[in-house]
Amino acid sequence: QSALTQPASVSGSPGQSITISCTGTSSDVGNYDFVSWYQQHPGKAPKLMIYEVTKRPSGVSNRFSGSKSGSTASLTISGLQAEDEADYYCCSYAGYSIYYVFGTGTKVTVL
Amino acid sequence: EVQLVESEGGLVQPGRSLRLSCAASGFTFSSHWMHWVRQDPGKGLVWVSRINPGGSDTDYADSVKGRFTISRDNADNTLYLQMNMLRAEDTAVYYCARGTTGAGGWFGPWGQGALVTVSS
Repeated sequence: QSALTQPASVSGSPGQSITISCTGTSSDVGNYDFVSWYQQHPGKAPKLMIYEVTKRPSGVSNRFSGSKSGSTASLTISGLQAEDEADYYCCSYAGYSIYYVFGTGTKVTVL
Repeated sequence: EVQLVESEGGLVQPGRSLRLSCAASGFTFSSHWMHWVRQDPGKGLVWVSRINPGGSDTDYADSVKGRFTISRDNADNTLYLQMNMLRAEDTAVYYCARGTTGAGGWFGPWGQGALVTVSS
């Protein structure tokens, strides 16, 4: 099972909005609404930002939002801030035998 | 506050064994699926294993099946990963993570990570 495909890097200026795509297949992203997104700052553990495609855990800024169309999920960060500079990973449930597959990761740079 | 604290990893020779532990607090441990996820140095995240709340159901990534064993002690709020027949390609930071109480697939929060280095 291959990793989900994400762009290697995305950048934006403070205050702008950016969108990170996460492309899978009909066996994972396209078949389950169990897509989640994680933020990871250098040397730190990942942090859950979005779960079940669109839901935000308590404490996560409403500047982060998720969506899905077919086999592609997306994470949008609006009102980009310096603290948003980090690596972002998507993840999808992929059913029996594979279970979970992560994305390749996207480095977000705030210009 | 929900917290997961992992034991230290370490340097181990190929073919040897190592056990990681993850102490949980701040939530009802026995109600949640628990997971191990690893990250090769400088690379992406890879799911390793999961265990159901009662400890009776376990699943593994193909890369570790037959070599790694996940277990839990609900009386002690602790998750374990027994890693046998370690290979150089198992070198990674290993994270424990809380999962859902039912069906689904998200992980949060995560432990601080334990670096396991497999080398002679």
